[in-house]
Amino acid sequence: NAGVTQTPKFQVLKTGQSMTLQCAQDMNHNSMYWYRQDPGMGLRLIYYSASEGTTDKGEVPNGYNVSRLNKREFSLRLESAAPSQTSVYFCASSEVSSANYGYTFGSGTRLTVV
Amino acid sequence: QKEVEQDPGPLSVPEGAIVSLNCTYSNSAFQYFMWYRQYSRKGPELLMYTYSSGNKEDGRFTAQVDKSSKYISLFIRDSQPSDSATYLCAMRGAGGTSYGKLTFGQGTILTVHP
Repeated sequence: NAGVTQTPKFQVLKTGQSMTLQCAQDMNHNSMYWYRQDPGMGLRLIYYSASEGTTDKGEVPNGYNVSRLNKREFSLRLESAAPSQTSVYFCASSEVSSANYGYTFGSGTRLTVV
Repeated sequence: QKEVEQDPGPLSVPEGAIVSLNCTYSNSAFQYFMWYRQYSRKGPELLMYTYSSGNKEDGRFTAQVDKSSKYISLFIRDSQPSDSATYLCAMRGAGGTSYGKLTFGQGTILTVHP
């Protein structure tokens, strides 16, 4: 099925460990996004990539890095995980050039940092 | 103060009730307004999309935007247990630095009981 695929679905890290969250979309969308979702906070933008080759910080970028590997893939890296990064992470994509668009989300990665 | 405010609920209603979900916002540059539905342990999915002020109807769902009051609503008629989910409002501007980036409300948890 067409859509956004995120891996892994679940992960437990120890404080200080690193990991990369993977995201791939097969809809030929130009723009991709990483959000985190915490209780009572809604979805907060971490980083986004308006098009292949560009990335920009969102609302909560500290502690994260991203790579837009190609048009399909957008990865999120935690270099030194902290308990405050325990969250559900969502990747999304969209076709911004379309006049009427919304995001297509992946199913999320549930990350626990102990 | 957050740019988008949404009552997190939770909201519990009997089957068949009319549900009203609301968001207020402070950024007058927002012109595109959306509602997403998120089932437990799933990613959000686009439910309704409106541009500027006015109403839009899709089956049992009606979205309203009042830009003069900076207030948007989602009405669900004849609510069903399958409508039980978290509903997130989202919005964006027409261009500039907000291009492509959605700002989300905190989400309202809705339960429709038989």
